[in-house]
Amino acid sequence: EDKVVQSPLSLVVHEGDTVTLNCSYEVTNFRSLLWYKQEKKAPTFLFMLTSSGIEKKSGRLSSILDKKELFSILNITATQTGDSAVYLCAVEGNSGYALNFGKGTSLLVTP
Amino acid sequence: DSGVTQTPKHLITATGQRVTLRCSPRSGDLSVYWYQQSLDQGLQFLIHYYNGEERAKGNILERFSAQQFPDLHSELNLSSLELGDSALYFCASSPTGSPVNIQYFGAGTRLSVL
Repeated sequence: EDKVVQSPLSLVVHEGDTVTLNCSYEVTNFRSLLWYKQEKKAPTFLFMLTSSGIEKKSGRLSSILDKKELFSILNITATQTGDSAVYLCAVEGNSGYALNFGKGTSLLVTP
Repeated sequence: DSGVTQTPKHLITATGQRVTLRCSPRSGDLSVYWYQQSLDQGLQFLIHYYNGEERAKGNILERFSAQQFPDLHSELNLSSLELGDSALYFCASSPTGSPVNIQYFGAGTRLSVL
C-alpha cells in the first residue's frame, strides 16, 4: 500500500527563521511528488518534482527530491507570518493519477 | 482563485439523509477528482473522472457515488449519511493532455451531519 509520511506534524517558529519540512514516501511506480499549501480551505499548488536532485525554487520556498532515498524536503527561508499554514506533500503513483497525501505539517510563524 | 468552483460552501444535514455536492472544473480541464478531508484521516482520494468516464476509485464508500456530465461539471452524491461522513469534500481538476498531473483544488464543501 502506498504511504506518504510527513514530519514534523507541527512546528512553531519566529519570523525570520528558516524551516525544513520533510516528506518520505513508499509508492508503487512513482510518477511525481507535489507540495501544496493549505491556509484556510483549498490546497494551493507550490511545486511538482519528478527528477532527483533538481531544486525547484519560488521566492523564499525551495524543494528537492531524492528518489533513491524516497524523500523530499521543503525549505522556507526568512519565514513570515503569512507562511503560517498546513503544508501537504502528495505523491502520484500507480493509482490512476490520484494523489496520495501525507497528513501535513502545520507551521505557525509568530511575530 | 484556482478556477475550480464548488457549491455549496457549507451543508448541514441529518443522519440518514442524502446530499449532492457540485464541482465545476477549470476551463478546458477534462479530469475531475474528489477528495475527502477529515481531521484524523487527512486528504483521501475518492474517485477520478475523465471526460465523463470513471477512471479510478479510491476509498469511496458504496453509499457514495459520482458522475461527470457532458459539460464536464461533476456531482458527488452522498446517501444514508452517518455522523462520520462529516468532513471537507474537495474537488480538483487537472490540465488535459499534459504529461504532468498538477491538480488544482476548489475551496471545498464542508459537510456537517448532525
